[in-house]
Amino acid sequence: AQSVTQLGSHVSVSEGALVLLRCNYSSSVPPYLFWYVQYPNQGLQLLLKYTSAATLVKGINGFEAEFKKSETSFHLTKPSAHMSDAAEYFCAVSDPGTASKLTFGTGTRLQVTL
Amino acid sequence: EPEVTQTPSHQVTQMGQEVILRCVPISNHLYFYWYRQILGQKVEFLVSFYNNEISEKSEIFDDQFSVERPDGSNFTLKIRSTKLEDSAMYFCASSEPRGASNEQFFGPGTRLTVL
Repeated sequence: AQSVTQLGSHVSVSEGALVLLRCNYSSSVPPYLFWYVQYPNQGLQLLLKYTSAATLVKGINGFEAEFKKSETSFHLTKPSAHMSDAAEYFCAVSDPGTASKLTFGTGTRLQVTL
Repeated sequence: EPEVTQTPSHQVTQMGQEVILRCVPISNHLYFYWYRQILGQKVEFLVSFYNNEISEKSEIFDDQFSVERPDGSNFTLKIRSTKLEDSAMYFCASSEPRGASNEQFFGPGTRLTVL
């Protein structure tokens, strides 16, 4: 069975500061990994994905994540936070290939302060 | 840009009533999914659907739930006799038939409130 652990249900950073949202996964097979963002009262939008190509993945809005197999991690980073980054962020894992279900973490709410 | 749409955006129903949540996936996608998110909790997989049959379902997806693709564009989730604990945001998603990225595109959700 797959699982995802997101450390920190709430993270607060100052505008312009580094954003680091942590995600660790458990999977019996080489996984696909995803980060989704959810703005208030909206659906889930894909930020980036890892599908066994480059281990450093760049996504939208300046976010990136690095797949580290030895640490079973897929942490999300952004060098400089913007007020518009305030949202809920979900890490998800799936089996490789098409049409596998996504297993989500519990989410991290990012707050950006002035 | 193509997107997944869902109707209604909000649905309020009495316990024991049937509800049908509707989704229009992206037109060239062939894999469809339903997920739900109880308030304050994580997003949970319910069911996946391909080629007019269920591919996989979770333990949440019991006999009270069913899915259907009644025509070439809609994908529906039916809850036959709603319970209080069915109150949640329900998300539809779809993905492409080709490639191995498993990128799933989500709709904006339907908020279901069972009274």
